[in-house]
Amino acid sequence: QSVLTQPPSASGTPGQRVTFSCSGSSSNIGSYTVNWYQQLPGRAPKILIYSNNQRPSGVPARFSGSKSGTSASLAISGLRSEDEADYYCAAWEDSLNGPVFGGGTKLTVL
Amino acid sequence: QLQLKESGSGLVKPSQTLSLTCGVSGGSISSGGSSWNWIRQSPGKGLEWLGYISHIGSTYYNPSLRSRVTMSLDRSKNQFSLNLTSLTAADTAVYYCAREIRTCAGGVCYKWFDPWGQGTLVTVSS
Repeated sequence: QSVLTQPPSASGTPGQRVTFSCSGSSSNIGSYTVNWYQQLPGRAPKILIYSNNQRPSGVPARFSGSKSGTSASLAISGLRSEDEADYYCAAWEDSLNGPVFGGGTKLTVL
Repeated sequence: QLQLKESGSGLVKPSQTLSLTCGVSGGSISSGGSSWNWIRQSPGKGLEWLGYISHIGSTYYNPSLRSRVTMSLDRSKNQFSLNLTSLTAADTAVYYCAREIRTCAGGVCYKWFDPWGQGTLVTVSS
């Protein structure tokens, strides 16, 4: 049972726009910024979005993030087959004094 | 380009101790502004942060594991290590090392993990 709640799965067709939600509480998302990680099959997670909506260099502008209250969202526009992966949100948690992760959303590109 | 790579025991018996090392290349673990972290991923518990060791050797561990975890730095080899004692099947997971980047602007600090090592599977079984 993860502290941050994400739907287990999502799907879309190439070219579509898909969004992922991440729900938390006042002790995590409500008080701190959110990061998103992409985990391709068989690979380690990779930073996709940090500080709610900032893209590291090399991450395409198709990926965007937002936060409102105790929830956050990740959007992918112009979906591609290579976007098929697991997507995890993460935020600082007061009770842990460290980061917590969501359970991840598995994206299938149909 | 900074790269991290885990190494260590892949199969450990219950009640024994797990020892993993993370080798760092392309940068120094003594550089400020970063901390060196361990994160594990299991089917049952997802991604779980285990703790960190800073570039000066201070540590902070996840309270749920604090009594069993030790992290250390070896500056001569540019690597850091994880020891986890009293293993049970619940400790079976892929273990990742990762650098935590910290940057501050306008009085607010942001942290994220980048890069991660490739991960190493640790199985606890007799």
